Amino acid sequence: GAVVSQHPSRVICKSGTSVKIECRSLDFQATTMFWYRQFPKQSLMLMATSNEGSKATYEQGVEKDKFLINHASLTLSTLTVTSAHPEDSSFYICSAKRGTEKLFFGSGTQLSVL
Amino acid sequence: AQTVTQSQPEMSVQEAETVTLSCTYDTSENNYYLFWYKQPPSRQMILVIRQEAYKQQNATENRFSVNFQKAAKSFSLKISDSQLGDTAMYFCAFMKQAGGTSYGKLTFGQGTILTVHP
Repeated sequence: GAVVSQHPSRVICKSGTSVKIECRSLDFQATTMFWYRQFPKQSLMLMATSNEGSKATYEQGVEKDKFLINHASLTLSTLTVTSAHPEDSSFYICSAKRGTEKLFFGSGTQLSVL
Repeated sequence: AQTVTQSQPEMSVQEAETVTLSCTYDTSENNYYLFWYKQPPSRQMILVIRQEAYKQQNATENRFSVNFQKAAKSFSLKISDSQLGDTAMYFCAFMKQAGGTSYGKLTFGQGTILTVHP
């Protein structure tokens, strides 16, 4: 089956630094990927839609200068958390669309900001 | 905007028994998809079942089945013959059917933690 790889699975960083998270579709081309955020034992909240070759579409309330999304190829989208602070600590998970009606999730990234 | 509500924060069931997880949603859309996702302790999101709103027949996948009541905007998940591996957080999710290019944006419920006891 289709696989979406997310890297790193876990990252710890100091406050004020930037962290990049990668989401790769390993065996299919994904023109659209999605980024979600999940707090412990809570729901997944959509942050943004990443479109290959164009700007990402952010959900209301999500700071686009804080969460930079780049979808430079058909198999890779990256989420960069800039100037991270402890409140940015969370589980970030991506999903990738294959074709018109198939959706696959990455394994997620746990970000801890000290 | 769509909302999805799961009113059961936690549920438990004995192995081999049946359990039903509840989900209600609110939308003004007529065409949409509904999903149940499973998130085990590994936190990998696993698709359990999908229902197209235009289909009257309830979706089934082996031990998993749904009761889709479109007029009532209700979408419950029934797990039969529960197994220890079913222990996980279960999310109900909504997606607008706005053409293939828009497929993928999910609105999730709050989740239900299901524990299967031996």
